[in-house]
Amino acid sequence: DQQVKQNSPSLSVQEGRISILNCDYTNSMFDYFLWYKKYPAEGPTFLISISSIKDKNEDGRFTVFLNKSAKHLSLHIVPSQPGDSAVYFCAAILSGGYQKVTFGIGTKLQVIP
Amino acid sequence: NAGVMQNPRHLVRRRGQEARLRCSPMKGHSHVYWYRQLPEEGLKFMVYLQKENIIDESGMPKERFSAEFPKEGPSILRIQQVVRGDSAAYFCASSPPRSGPNTGELFFGEGSRLTVL
Repeated sequence: DQQVKQNSPSLSVQEGRISILNCDYTNSMFDYFLWYKKYPAEGPTFLISISSIKDKNEDGRFTVFLNKSAKHLSLHIVPSQPGDSAVYFCAAILSGGYQKVTFGIGTKLQVIP
Repeated sequence: NAGVMQNPRHLVRRRGQEARLRCSPMKGHSHVYWYRQLPEEGLKFMVYLQKENIIDESGMPKERFSAEFPKEGPSILRIQQVVRGDSAAYFCASSPPRSGPNTGELFFGEGSRLTVL
C-alpha cells in the first residue's frame, strides 16, 4: 500500500530552466508534506515542507505547491542548477504521535549544464 | 558539531551470519528512527526508539531483526542469519525531543550498506 507515489523515476532539465517534480498521495489525514534531497552515498537531507493547511511554501529557488483536492503536490526548482542533480523524495507525516515519515520511491533529477 | 553517525558504512556478510549496524544520533536528540532502502525502492520505516524504549517497530520484519537504543551508547540494528534479500542501505535518523507538532524533519546519517553474499 503505497501512500506516497512518485510516478516519474527520472527527469532531465537544462540548467537555468524550471524543474517540476510531482507527487501524489492517498492518505487524506497527512498533516505535513516534505521533500528530501539525496546525493549518492549520502543520507537524505530535508529540503522544504508544507503544512496541509497551506497551498504554497517558498524557500529561495524551491517552491512546493499543495493541491489537497487532487491529493497532489509538486516541487518547483527555479532556476535549476547542476548541483541540484540528486534524487528527490516526496514524503508525508501525520502530526500526532511522532516523526514517522512515509516516503515515495524518489525521482532522479539531472540538471544538464 | 557532528551529525548522525552510522557505522560501518559498508558491511559484507555471508548468508547465515549476523549483521550489526550502529547509529549515534545528533547531540541533544533522543529519538532514533531506522529506515531501509531496498534497491530501486524508497525508504521504508522500520523502527522508532527512544532511550531504552522501542516505541514503534511496525516496520520491522517479524523474525531475525531487532533494534535497541540503550541508556549509554549508540542505537543498534541487529540482523541475525542474514539472507540475500537483506542486502540494502540502512539509514538511521534522529530528531530532538518534540516541542510542537511533528513536521517530519529528520536528520539522517549517511547510511550503512549491507551486502549479503
